[in-house]
Amino acid sequence: DAGVTQSPTHLIKTRGQQVTLRCSPKSGHDTVSWYQQALGQGPQFIFQYYEEEERQRGNFPDRFSGHQFPNYSSELNVNALLLGDSALYLCASSFGLAGVGEQFFGPGTRLTVL
Amino acid sequence: RKEVEQDPGPFNVPEGATVAFNCTYSNSASQSFFWYRQDCRKEPKLLMSVYSSGNEDGRFTAQLNRASQYISLLIRDSKLSDSATYLCVVTPQTGANNLFFGTGTRLTVIP
Repeated sequence: DAGVTQSPTHLIKTRGQQVTLRCSPKSGHDTVSWYQQALGQGPQFIFQYYEEEERQRGNFPDRFSGHQFPNYSSELNVNALLLGDSALYLCASSFGLAGVGEQFFGPGTRLTVL
Repeated sequence: RKEVEQDPGPFNVPEGATVAFNCTYSNSASQSFFWYRQDCRKEPKLLMSVYSSGNEDGRFTAQLNRASQYISLLIRDSKLSDSATYLCVVTPQTGANNLFFGTGTRLTVIP
């Protein structure tokens, strides 16, 4: 049973560029959440997708957008990259929109913006 | 004010020691509470859920005090393998399961 997978594992971009990160949830899960973890900080909630719609959003600018596909996989897009966007981007999957079950995290994508 | 506040440490303890971590949360409507463990350059993994009645899992004991909005984690008989960052986590309200993380407390267990 595959867990949460993310691609790519590492990415280097320059300021102003755009990036797309991908996530496949754990088998049986239908909800995907994205988090940003800066160095030395805890993960911060970006947004959550369920039934192909953004259901909740954290305090992130519109440069951060996403999508969920019918197979429950998800993408995170960041436009006009800033140096401060350098971080580990984590995807977490769970079952149900308000489920109390455990959220499982993927290994993350480490984004470096130069 | 941050949703979840934790002492970032680091905590350096000898093997066999008992160590306690604490955190506070700001939203009194918070519904669910957890401790996650994160190893260096790895993803967070659920260590245990936290209940008002307190719960224990082997050497680990977690406690929630809703009146004080305070969560604790006690690790007894520390092992080298316990070295990691421990993240205090809450969910904000009923019907939402997005997670609010503290900054994490780094623990190093020394031989």
